[in-house]
Amino acid sequence: GAVVSQHPSWVICKSGTSVKIECRSLDFQATTMFWYRQFPKQSLMLMATSNEGSKATYEQGVEKDKFLINHASLTLSTLTVTSAHPEDSSFYICSARSGQGMNTEAFFGQGTRLTVV
Amino acid sequence: GENVEQHPSTLSVQEGDSAVIKCTYSDSASNYFPWYKQELGKRPQLIIDIRSNVGEKKDQRIAVTLNKTAKHFSLHITETQPEDSAVYFCAAPLPGYQKVTFGTGTKLQVIP
Repeated sequence: GAVVSQHPSWVICKSGTSVKIECRSLDFQATTMFWYRQFPKQSLMLMATSNEGSKATYEQGVEKDKFLINHASLTLSTLTVTSAHPEDSSFYICSARSGQGMNTEAFFGQGTRLTVV
Repeated sequence: GENVEQHPSTLSVQEGDSAVIKCTYSDSASNYFPWYKQELGKRPQLIIDIRSNVGEKKDQRIAVTLNKTAKHFSLHITETQPEDSAVYFCAAPLPGYQKVTFGTGTKLQVIP
């Protein structure tokens, strides 16, 4: 299947600093990628839809100025957590679909474990 | 938008027994229903999916059934093994929309 690579796999940062997470589709072009956040023992919560060449679409309750998304190419989307706080500590994971149709499998990156201290 | 409910939230079975996880969805336009398995600290992996033109699909010990009238679909795992222990998520993406909304997840524990 298609490969989505996410980096870094884990990061520890100080409160108030910013962290950038990268999501790459390695063997296909992804005009749309998705960013999810997963707290312990909870489901994957969609944060935003990243659209190549245009602004991201954020889900209700997600602060667009805090979670900056850039999708500058067909294979790369980045999520920057700005002014991180301990409550931002979570598992962040991206996904992309390889097909043009809607009924296609979603492939996930490895996820990034963010710990804000 | 689509609303997906998943039950149960936790499920413990003895090794060799069967496990069934059920999801219901709200929008009758949905026509693709994947199931994902997520092991602790790892990414979700697609294990099986079904499209609305069939009522059942099977892949070795895993099967998915779909009831479009009732708007629910179920994951069936037979002859469970300890390595089946994980969290399982269903999804029901709306046609015409790229984004995928997941169910709340089911933590399956297979007891040796």
